[in-house]
Amino acid sequence: DVKVTQSSRYLVKRTGEKVFLECVQDMDHENMFWYRQDPGLGLRLIYFSYDVKMKEKGDIPEGYSVSREKKERFSLILESASTNQTSMYLCASSPGAWGQPQHFGDGTRLSIL
Amino acid sequence: ILNVEQSPQSLHVQEGDSTNFTCSFPSSNFYALHWYRWETAKSPEALFVMTLNGDEKKKGRISATLNTKEGYSYLYIKGSQPEDSATYLCAFTVRGQGNLIFGKGTKLSVKP
Repeated sequence: DVKVTQSSRYLVKRTGEKVFLECVQDMDHENMFWYRQDPGLGLRLIYFSYDVKMKEKGDIPEGYSVSREKKERFSLILESASTNQTSMYLCASSPGAWGQPQHFGDGTRLSIL
Repeated sequence: ILNVEQSPQSLHVQEGDSTNFTCSFPSSNFYALHWYRWETAKSPEALFVMTLNGDEKKKGRISATLNTKEGYSYLYIKGSQPEDSATYLCAFTVRGQGNLIFGKGTKLSVKP
């Protein structure tokens, strides 16, 4: 069975901290994505990656960076966490071909105090 | 800016009712249209991917249609059950890009 695993289900951090959200997929997918979901705003794309060491900005990349050193792992980094980054973060992966369905992790609910 | 609109925003129905909701998207440079179901405390689950104008897909009591010329898709649920309660997300991909553009979803609540 396909699996996208996010390292934490719930996380509480303080303003100014550097925060790492980890995502691992076991499907050998080329594409990986990070979204945040906020009430009334739907899923918004932060960053995505088409291959190892490649990254592309999504719709709301400000305040975030990503790392993809291995094909199966895609990390989202909050360089200096702020309260407006309190949100639900979802990781997803998909095969390389266009238009393929994405497989999602269970999400990380991050609170920045 | 590419936008996906879903309506209604929320829907409350009785068990056994049939229901449908709409997804509107830009028709230019269209490549694929996706429907996902997102249940509370779970991850979004892919229901359908459609690419051709006139496509119809079915999975049990759930079906979807696609009109790429006018830029809309309908999702139908026949005989709704409480376990159908979820947020239904629509997303599309543009030719030449691999990322999905999501709508805000339709939240369905089915009362027993």
